[in-house]
Amino acid sequence: RKEVEQDPGPFNVPEGATVAFNCTYSNSASQSFFWYRQDCRKEPKLLMSVYSSGNEDGRFTAQLNRASQYISLLIRDSKLSDSATYLCVVARGQNFVFGPGTRLSVLP
Amino acid sequence: DTAVSQTPKYLVTQMGNDKSIKCEQNLGHDTMYWYKQDSKKFLKIMFSYNNKELIINETVPNRFSPKSPDKAHLNLHINSLELGDSAVYFCASSQEVDGGEQFFGPGTRLTVL
Repeated sequence: RKEVEQDPGPFNVPEGATVAFNCTYSNSASQSFFWYRQDCRKEPKLLMSVYSSGNEDGRFTAQLNRASQYISLLIRDSKLSDSATYLCVVARGQNFVFGPGTRLSVLP
Repeated sequence: DTAVSQTPKYLVTQMGNDKSIKCEQNLGHDTMYWYKQDSKKFLKIMFSYNNKELIINETVPNRFSPKSPDKAHLNLHINSLELGDSAVYFCASSQEVDGGEQFFGPGTRLTVL
């Protein structure tokens, strides 16, 4: 079993849709959690950190459930510019483990 | 101003050659990393350096040798290149020792023929 698993995707959604991505991790000693975004042929960039209390940044909401070892990302009112691959990242100290990513295509 | 830069951006070479990829960060970060992203897009950590000291060395062939002349630079030298080394290599840096945001360079696309 991979240490970090994500919905396989791809997700093709119309503009304005709400889309949710799921991620699970296997190592209960994991300490930090993130969502990164990677555009085609570009480097990954931090989208948001994920906290146990849940956090929101505009149209993006991230949730963490440590008991279930589960992380989610919700995108509301999706825009064409949201099209990218979304990477779930789980860290222990300096060891960052990236999930395989879920590709999102927002269609006009 | 580029925060994390890598050179070259593209590298095409023959099997058996030795090559280096350079990475520099101007963010004042203490921790730098090398990642490999293969054709299936899996991004996997290779090395982590904190203040010029090796912290993490994942299961990477010893043909790969990182060198950190100072904390702003982390270069990657690869000996005896193999076809399977073809991938995109990303350098990254972070401020915090534990779990802080990582800033990635633009990547070096290595093709071994």
